Formats: sequence, structure tokens, C-alpha cells
Amino acid sequence: EIVMTQSPATLSVSPGERATLSCRASQSVRSNLAWYQQKPGQAPRLLIYGAYTRATGVPARFSASGSGTDFTLTISSLQSEDFAVYHCQQYDIWLTFGGGTKVEIK
Amino acid sequence: QVQLQESGPRLVRPSETLSLTCTVSGGSISRYYWSWIRQPPGKGLELIGYIYYSGTTYYSPSLKSRVTISVDTSRNQLSLKLSSVTAADTAVYYCARDSDSGSYVGAFDVWGQGAMVTVSS
Repeated sequence: EIVMTQSPATLSVSPGERATLSCRASQSVRSNLAWYQQKPGQAPRLLIYGAYTRATGVPARFSASGSGTDFTLTISSLQSEDFAVYHCQQYDIWLTFGGGTKVEIK
Repeated sequence: QVQLQESGPRLVRPSETLSLTCTVSGGSISRYYWSWIRQPPGKGLELIGYIYYSGTTYYSPSLKSRVTISVDTSRNQLSLKLSSVTAADTAVYYCARDSDSGSYVGAFDVWGQGAMVTVSS
């Protein structure tokens, strides 16, 4: 099973600042990686697929990069609605999720 | 706009079978892959399995012996059955649609709101 490791577990950021989240795979997943945003009591929302392609309706302040084993999600200027948990997920071999990064208000 | 709604018992006794239904509204169940995903309280997400509208299924190796996923195209529904449940199966169960029509990608663009199922006597 491919293990996805996200860091940091918690990221404290002030509104308007930049947030950078990391995701590492235990083996190459090529570009078969997605990012989701999840708010308390809600289902995850697809943000990114194919490692860097924004899903429909996702604001341009969300960008992502990486391939192989190392991936990054960047939120350029945090808005109040962006404080949430972010999950990465590989779908190269079966499908596994990372443990999540909580982005909280500093 | 496609919407998904999970339904079924929220409390299941240990050793019994967990049964959930996902109703698809605002669109057809046809030509998409549909998945069941769960999230234990305070933990990460886990794919249980997925099904094509034609009925072809794929299950998580760790759950395969206990899982059955089926689809009813006439009712625009998919179902999940998980047998011999224990407290470890307590989780929020989500149904979700794969983002691509006709092929399996593994990224999910439409999710149900989730059903919290507790396994307890």
C-alpha cells in the first residue's frame, strides 16, 4: 500500500498570508494525486487533480505542483473560508489518502 | 447539479451487517464510477470500494471479504453492505462520484453529506 504523509499536521497562518502544504508518497505515484479541502461536519471538496489541475470553481489562489513522490499545495493569500483540513490522495495504485493538514488561524 | 444522499441505519450491533444506500439526484448514475469512502472519528479517509454503473466492482483488499457494493440504475442508487462489523467500523460513510465519465480516475468531484454509523451494542 502506498503511504501518503502530509506535513505539517497543523499550520497556523494569518489571513492574507501564504500557506504551503506538503504531501509525500512512499513510492512514485506519477502525477496521480488529488487535493481536497474539508471543513468540520462537511464532506471533502475536490480542489486539485492530476497533481496541478484545479477542479471546476476552485479559486486561482489555490495552486499545486509536484510529481513522483513530492507534492505541494499552495494557498497564495488565505481567506477566512480557507481555514480547514486539507487531504492529499494518490490514485496511481489503488487509492490512499494522507492524514491531513489542518490550516488554522494564527 | 448532481447531489448524493446517504441513507440507512445509524446504529449497528457488533457482528451484524451495516447497510447504506446512496441516492443520486439531478443526474444519471450511468457512465460513472461510484465509490464508498469512510472516515473514522478524528482519522483519515479510506476507500472501501467502487462500482461502475454496469455493475463491475473493485474492493479494498483489507475489506474485500466483508464488503458488497451494488448498483440499481432504475432507482439511481448504489448500496453498501459491510458484514461482521466491529467498533473499528464506526465512521462517517460517504458515497462519491468519480470525476471522469466513462473511465476511473480516482478523484472524486461530487460527495454525499455523509452518514455517521456507530457500531455498538
